[in-house]
Amino acid sequence: AQKITQTQPGMFVQEKEAVTLDCTYDTSDPSYGLFWYKQPSSGEMIFLIYQGSYDQQNATEGRYSLNFQKARKSANLVISASQLGDSAMYFCAMRELSSQGGSEKLVFGKGTKLTVNP
Amino acid sequence: GAGVSQSPSNKVTEKGKDVELRCDPISGHTALYWYRQSLGQGLEFLIYFQGNSAPDKSGLPSDRFSAERTGGSVSTLTIQRTQQEDSAVYLCASSLIRSEEETQYFGPGTRLLVL
Repeated sequence: AQKITQTQPGMFVQEKEAVTLDCTYDTSDPSYGLFWYKQPSSGEMIFLIYQGSYDQQNATEGRYSLNFQKARKSANLVISASQLGDSAMYFCAMRELSSQGGSEKLVFGKGTKLTVNP
Repeated sequence: GAGVSQSPSNKVTEKGKDVELRCDPISGHTALYWYRQSLGQGLEFLIYFQGNSAPDKSGLPSDRFSAERTGGSVSTLTIQRTQQEDSAVYLCASSLIRSEEETQYFGPGTRLLVL
């Protein structure tokens, strides 16, 4: 069974500073994908970044980077130079890839509420 | 291009009534998912459609929930005899089966309140 753990219910960061949001996962499947989504107060889930289990390098997308430590089964999201608009809920999710191909459901953590202070 | 759209954006209904929620996926996306998000919680998978394959209904919480996808595009999630515990945000997502990544893109959700 899959499991995603986000241990930080809430995080605070000063504007322009970096922040790390933690995510650990549990899977016995050797092939999987990890995602981070942002959910502002409007409610829409916004895709931020993806890391494949076989990727050799940590994923980066603009101010977002993923600190992927496979042996520790962690996939922490790092947001650099925080902005007020980064205040939102952040969800880590995992998808195990089917050996038969095709898409599989995402399993989500409970999320971390990030507040960026001016 | 247009993203995933959902309607209605909000729905208030009385206990025992049936409701229908609609999802229009991104054009060309072959996979469609429904999730439910209860207050302060993460997302819970409900059902998955992929092309002409049989849907994965393993996440539907009871037989009051059903969904269909017509013509490989629009999907409707139906909840019969609604209960107060059905109150949640229902999110639809779609993805393109093309690469290992297969990112799921979400719609804005339908906020359902059962009185």
